[in-house]
Amino acid sequence: AQKITQTQPGMFVQEKEAVTLDCTYDTSDPSYGLFWYKQPSSGEMIFLIYQGSYDQQNATEGRYSLNFQKARKSANLVISASQLGDSAMYFCAMREEGSSYKLIFGSGTRLLVRP
Amino acid sequence: DTEVTQTPKHLVMGMTNKKSLKCEQHMGHRAMYWYKQKAKKPPELMFVYSYEKLSINESVPSRFSPECPNSSLLNLHLHALQPEDSALYLCASSQDRTQYFGPGTRLLVL
Repeated sequence: AQKITQTQPGMFVQEKEAVTLDCTYDTSDPSYGLFWYKQPSSGEMIFLIYQGSYDQQNATEGRYSLNFQKARKSANLVISASQLGDSAMYFCAMREEGSSYKLIFGSGTRLLVRP
Repeated sequence: DTEVTQTPKHLVMGMTNKKSLKCEQHMGHRAMYWYKQKAKKPPELMFVYSYEKLSINESVPSRFSPECPNSSLLNLHLHALQPEDSALYLCASSQDRTQYFGPGTRLLVL
């Protein structure tokens, strides 16, 4: 069965440093996509970055990059030069097999950026 | 522009009340979603509308009634809710692979 695992319930990082949030996944589907969302305390889920299983390059969006290791089934989010506004809950997700709509979410990692 | 709007931001209702949550997107997205999220948990899918037709109902109790009046609007009608229904309700929309979420409605049922 498909599964997303985020093993870090909480993380601290010093402002301006880089941080890696872990995500591992399990699927038997050769074609899949992985997403990262940020959820501040305000509640909105903000889409950050997407990685397709056939993408040759690791995805990058500004300060966000995805360290995609297909053989290890990991899709870690790297945030460079952390800012206080990065303090939030971060969810890793993948599309459910055979569904155009359903996302499977990990349990989330709460990141706190220290000044 | 990837904006999904939701009203109201906060809602307090009694168990006998009827209320509605509203969601709007003007991105031309074909699919719209309702999620329920309890504190410290990931969102749980409730309903999906595709091309204004109900595509997925995740066995949600009938006290939650979705409605899609047109391609830009999605409502969630609430009636006879229970205190355990208190949660953050998120709306999302998508055109292809990526779902874009609204700011949510924080619902408290007394």
